[in-house]
Amino acid sequence: GAGVSQSPSNKVTEKGKDVELRCDPISGHTALYWYRQSLGQGLEFLIYFQGNSAPDKSGLPSDRFSAERTGGSVSTLTIQRTQQEDSAVYLCASSTGTYNEQFFGPGTRLTVL
Amino acid sequence: QKEVEQDPGPLSVPEGAIVSLNCTYSNSAFQYFMWYRQYSRKGPELLMYTYSSGNKEDGRFTAQVDKSSKYISLFIRDSQPSDSATYLCAITLGNQFYFGTGTSLTVIP
Repeated sequence: GAGVSQSPSNKVTEKGKDVELRCDPISGHTALYWYRQSLGQGLEFLIYFQGNSAPDKSGLPSDRFSAERTGGSVSTLTIQRTQQEDSAVYLCASSTGTYNEQFFGPGTRLTVL
Repeated sequence: QKEVEQDPGPLSVPEGAIVSLNCTYSNSAFQYFMWYRQYSRKGPELLMYTYSSGNKEDGRFTAQVDKSSKYISLFIRDSQPSDSATYLCAITLGNQFYFGTGTSLTVIP
């Protein structure tokens, strides 16, 4: 069956530009997570969506970062005025929320020049 | 102090060796304990999970949790070159996931 998909797989942008990263979760999964993975830093939690509840945005590093989830399915992570320190792999995961096993997408590798 | 601490390695072992990967955590309220495997340029995939102290075995993999010491381990028996990957521990509290930084493992044929 289809897993979590993310697009684009790679994104190179110039400092100061805005970028949008997309995540298609597994159909029927009510929970969706965004993480950032930098070299040697592990997975950094960014934001969590659960059903129709207000998202948990406690991990967003600055107000340049925002995310939305339309219709309880597809999610978009937007980074405005990108900085070089935003360069990382951005991972999306979805879950049924049972014992919280998360299924990860392949990630989007963002490079800010 | 980080919620979860994991030695980043790298760890290099010969094929057939027993591998021990470890994490420590700080919050005794943590509920679920998981190990993820991540191949290069791929997303993490769940290997094992448990919620109680003790051992859980799945083929060549054994997950061990010691809640009194706040210590979790993953053992890989008869390691194979295909086990070469980064292994991340993850611990949950409610909907919050806390990941270790990952240990890079290379199994040499």
